[in-house]
Amino acid sequence: GENVEQHPSTLSVQEGDSAVIKCTYSDSASNYFPWYKQELGKRPQLIIDIRSNVGEKKDQRIAVTLNKTAKHFSLHITETQPEDSAVYFCAASGASGGSYIPTFGRGTSLIVHP
Amino acid sequence: DSGVTQTPKHLITATGQRVTLRCSPRSGDLSVYWYQQSLDQGLQFLIQYYNGEERAKGNILERFSAQQFPDLHSELNLSSLELGDSALYFCASSVGQLMNTEAFFGQGTRLTVV
Repeated sequence: GENVEQHPSTLSVQEGDSAVIKCTYSDSASNYFPWYKQELGKRPQLIIDIRSNVGEKKDQRIAVTLNKTAKHFSLHITETQPEDSAVYFCAASGASGGSYIPTFGRGTSLIVHP
Repeated sequence: DSGVTQTPKHLITATGQRVTLRCSPRSGDLSVYWYQQSLDQGLQFLIQYYNGEERAKGNILERFSAQQFPDLHSELNLSSLELGDSALYFCASSVGQLMNTEAFFGQGTRLTVV
């Protein structure tokens, strides 16, 4: 099955700095890579996603890059704000027995200091 | 609001007991996933149902079982509970196995086994 590794586990930055979270995946059949943000005590929510036919996608201060050859993808947050503080999860999703199963990384706790 | 409803929000029970967690997917979603999130852990995939049928199994213990009913709501049954089963259990739904797309999460059920 798919295995997703995520680094770092904790990331502390100053407000206004950039933050980068990196993930690797093992299954070359995975073709959908969503990123979720989970605030304390709340449900994970999708913030951005990318498909395997695209190398980069941007949405305001958030961008995701994908390197299919190396099987890694990254989340970039620019001009970080205190409200960006949360746990971020990457996921890789590919067909498994006819179903798409999102496999998640262990999460990165992002702390943005004012 | 993601449109995915989970009940109850909190559950406290004793070791050896059995509990049932309930999930109602978004309107129109046929696929339901169950995930377990323990302290400092990522989202561990347990099981997936699609249109009433089990489609994929992850790291689900034999003491745990699930089903999806004709109205598409799903229940996760946890029996012979142990202290280590204490966790946040999320249900997520998506359009279905024909599309690899975003999974919408419910608010979760926090299970505490004492």
